[in-house]
Amino acid sequence: ETGVTQSPTHLIKTRGQQVTLRCSSQSGHNTVSWYQQALGQGPQFIFQYYREEENGRGNFPPRFSGLQFPNYSSELNVNALELDDSALYLCASASERYTDTQYFGPGTRLTVL
Amino acid sequence: AQSVTQLGSHVSVSEGALVLLRCNYSSSVPPYLFWYVQYPNQGLQLLLKYTSAATLVKGINGFEAEFKKSETSFHLTKPSAHMSDAAEYFCAVSDQRSGGYQKVTFGTGTKLQVIP
Repeated sequence: ETGVTQSPTHLIKTRGQQVTLRCSSQSGHNTVSWYQQALGQGPQFIFQYYREEENGRGNFPPRFSGLQFPNYSSELNVNALELDDSALYLCASASERYTDTQYFGPGTRLTVL
Repeated sequence: AQSVTQLGSHVSVSEGALVLLRCNYSSSVPPYLFWYVQYPNQGLQLLLKYTSAATLVKGINGFEAEFKKSETSFHLTKPSAHMSDAAEYFCAVSDQRSGGYQKVTFGTGTKLQVIP
C-alpha cells in the first residue's frame, strides 16, 4: 500500500510569484486535506476536497486554491506569494469510511524570499 | 468552535522516566481527539485517537491517552521514555461527524527531549 506522497520536497519562490504543490493520496482514499505549518506552530487547516469538490475551508484567502483529480491526487495553488506564506505544507488523505483518520505526507517546505 | 491547548512547549525527561504531555480541548460538540508525532523534517504520524469508545486509548510505540470529559483533557503518557521518542507531539480535535467534511484543529505542539 503506497502512502501519501508530496512534491516537490523543497521550493524557493519570490514574493508575488505563484506556486503549485502536489499530493498523491494513499490508495483508496478519496478525501484530501491541506495544512500550512509555519515554523514553531501547529498545522493550520487550509481546505479539504472530497470527490473532486471543495467541502470545507479554513481561514485562508482566496489566493489559496486547490484541485482534486479523478484519481484523487491533489494540487494546492498559491497566487501572489507573500513572505508569510513560507511554511511547511502538508497534505493528508483519508478514506470515505474513516474520515477521522488522516494519513499525512512528508510535506513541501516553501520558502518565499 | 473547537480548540486545543497544549501545556508546555518543551518537556524534558530522562530516559526510562514517565512521559506526560498535557492537552486540554474545547469543543461545543462531542469531540474526536488525536495525538500526532512529528520527527524533524517529516510529516505527522498518528499515535492514537479517541472516537467515543473506550476512554483509555492505547496507541503505537507504547503511548496511551485518557479522555476525561469532566476535565476536558486528553493527556498523553508513556511509562518509560526511550531516546527515539524525542520529537514534537501535537494534540488535535475535530467534531464527531460521519463522513464528509472534517476540520481538524491542532495545538501548537510540545517538543519532547529525552536525556540519556
